[in-house]
Amino acid sequence: QVQLVESGGGAVQPGRSLRLSCAASGFTFSSFGMYWVRQAPGKGLEWVAVIWFDGNKKYYADSLKGRFTISRDNSKNTLYLQMNSLRAEDTAVYFCARVGTGDYHADYWGQGTLVTVSS
Amino acid sequence: QSVLTQPPSVSAAPGQKVTISCSGNSSNIGNNSVSWYQQLPGTAPTLLIYENNKRPSGIPDRFSGSKSGTSATLGITGLQTGDEADYYCGTWDSSLSAGFFGGGTKLTVL
Repeated sequence: QVQLVESGGGAVQPGRSLRLSCAASGFTFSSFGMYWVRQAPGKGLEWVAVIWFDGNKKYYADSLKGRFTISRDNSKNTLYLQMNSLRAEDTAVYFCARVGTGDYHADYWGQGTLVTVSS
Repeated sequence: QSVLTQPPSVSAAPGQKVTISCSGNSSNIGNNSVSWYQQLPGTAPTLLIYENNKRPSGIPDRFSGSKSGTSATLGITGLQTGDEADYYCGTWDSSLSAGFFGGGTKLTVL
């Protein structure tokens, strides 16, 4: 069965960096695009970024461009999110999700990893 | 502020039907298909509807989706207390080259 397991979250000071990972299993990782989506405490879902199956195309939420970088290693079945210059407003649970076949829906989601940005 | 607008909350009695709307524009809903997600308290979202009206395996036919122009609707019939959750619509915006979710709708089954 499809499994997505995020890791790398934790507490970090403003201005510092953090890299999240998402380990995928149960499907051919190199054939699917992947998303990062975040959810601030008590708030709704916010789309963060998408990367194409081969890593050749990447798109970001406009508010995050330049600070966050999505990448993947298909040999390791792993998705990454490099987050730089972190701010308090980046505090959220970060989910990875698989892009479903056909359009832009997210058909499988991980359980999320919490990032807390605080001094 | 999302480009997709949902009502913050809806409510109905057990056994009844409820609809949740999602309004966008010609660059997003008008040009791309819509998906719907259910998020039960304290859990990750799960896919309910994709490509406007298709249900993944395992999703009961009490859940339905439709799209017309720049708006989409999620319908839930035969409401159960277990349906109490937050519901989100999602789509791609072709002009902004980015994905978006609606602000979410909290369903209360009275």
